[in-house]
Amino acid sequence: QKEVEQNSGPLSVPEGAIASLNCTYSDRGSQSFFWYRQYSGKSPELIMFIYSNGDKEDGRFTAQLNKASQYVSLLIRDSQPSDSATYLCAVIWTGNQFYFGTGTSLTVIP
Amino acid sequence: KAGVTQTPRYLIKTRGQQVTLSCSPISGHRSVSWYQQTPGQGLQFLFEYFSETQRNKGNFPGRFSGRQFSNSRSEMNVSTLELGDSALYLCASSRDRGNTIYFGEGSWLTVV
Repeated sequence: QKEVEQNSGPLSVPEGAIASLNCTYSDRGSQSFFWYRQYSGKSPELIMFIYSNGDKEDGRFTAQLNKASQYVSLLIRDSQPSDSATYLCAVIWTGNQFYFGTGTSLTVIP
Repeated sequence: KAGVTQTPRYLIKTRGQQVTLSCSPISGHRSVSWYQQTPGQGLQFLFEYFSETQRNKGNFPGRFSGRQFSNSRSEMNVSTLELGDSALYLCASSRDRGNTIYFGEGSWLTVV
């Protein structure tokens, strides 16, 4: 059973703090990992993707990948109320199929 | 560059009816996939089309079907609608299989 697991939250952080979102996956063969953000009533939008072990930074966002531990995370620095959303972790399985976690709800408190 | 376009955005159907949803991918994208999203189940994969052929299929009953045309546009159909089919249906496109996918705004289906 291939799975992508996320803590559903809700995760609450004060404005200006670092929000840490975590995701584990079951398929060791997975090569590509993605983070999407979904505001209530809207469709998911891509934040960033990561393929290699280590960190990848894009503005206030940092994705971290550890393939040995089958773990991918997203850090949001200087969190803003506009970051309040559900964050979806996605993994590409063998066969090019995307598989999504159920998402973590983040609330940034002003 | 236009994004993924889905029509209709909102629709209400009665149990037992059928519905067809349409998706126009980003220009140059050849892969189209469909997802169902409900509050309790999250994003569930329906199927993926590439070069007019279904490449992957999720765990949904045969009432859910789709197709892709030569211009990469795609449609999905749900027959004999049930109340549980009420959901947000999302189409996503990517340049090729295994590439980053980009979502349309979705079609909100309510079955009454």
